[in-house]
Amino acid sequence: RKEVEQDPGPFNVPEGATVAFNCTYSNSASQSFFWYRQDCRKEPKLLMSVYSSGNEDGRFTAQLNRASQYISLLIRDSKLSDSATYLCVVPSGGSYIPTFGRGTSLIVHP
Amino acid sequence: EAGVTQFPSHSVIEKGQTVTLRCDPISGHDNLYWYRRVMGKEIKFLLHFVKESKQDESGMPNNRFLAERTGGTYSTLKVQPAELEDSGVYFCASSLWTTKDTQYFGPGTRLTVL
Repeated sequence: RKEVEQDPGPFNVPEGATVAFNCTYSNSASQSFFWYRQDCRKEPKLLMSVYSSGNEDGRFTAQLNRASQYISLLIRDSKLSDSATYLCVVPSGGSYIPTFGRGTSLIVHP
Repeated sequence: EAGVTQFPSHSVIEKGQTVTLRCDPISGHDNLYWYRRVMGKEIKFLLHFVKESKQDESGMPNNRFLAERTGGTYSTLKVQPAELEDSGVYFCASSLWTTKDTQYFGPGTRLTVL
C-alpha cells in the first residue's frame, strides 16, 4: 500500500457544484496533514492544513478521520478558478518526511 | 516578503554533463527542502536541511547528487554526471519550523537531460 494515496481523477464538475476528494494514508502516527493546490507547471501552494479533526476556510473544508486514516477536502460552490491539481501531503516516518500523493485533478467547467 | 526563489527556471543539458541548481529560501527559514517530480509520478522528498546541517538525506537517489547549504542561507543541488532519468522538476521549499510545519515552495527548476 502506498503511503499516501489519492484518486487521480479528473473530477469534471460544473460551476457551483460541490466536490469532495479523499486521501488515504498508511502511517497511523502522522499528526499533521496538508492540502496543497498546484496549477499547471507551477509550484504547489498551501491550501489548508489539518492538525485535529478538521479545518474550514470559506468554501473549503478539510476533515480528518483518524480511525479510517483518511483526510477529505470538500469544495463548495466550485469556481472556474478552482481548476487545478490538489495534492495531499502527510509528514510520515520517524523524521516526518513530507510524503505526497499523486494529486487529484479538478476541472470546473461553465 | 520575498518567497522562495530558484535558479535557473529551466536547464537542458546532455547526459554526462554537470548541472547546479540554486534555491534561496524565505529569509529566516531555517528549514530547507529539496524535492523532485519525475513526469507522471508524485513529488518525492530528496533531503532536508536545518540551517547548514543535513537533517535527512534519505531521499537522495545516489551519489551523483550533492546538496550543500553553506552558511545556512541558500542551497545548491549539483547533479554530476547527469543521467537521462534525472530529468524532472526540482522543487525547493522552506519552512520556519519543522517538517510538520507549512512549507513554501519555489517555482521549481525544470531539468531536461538529453
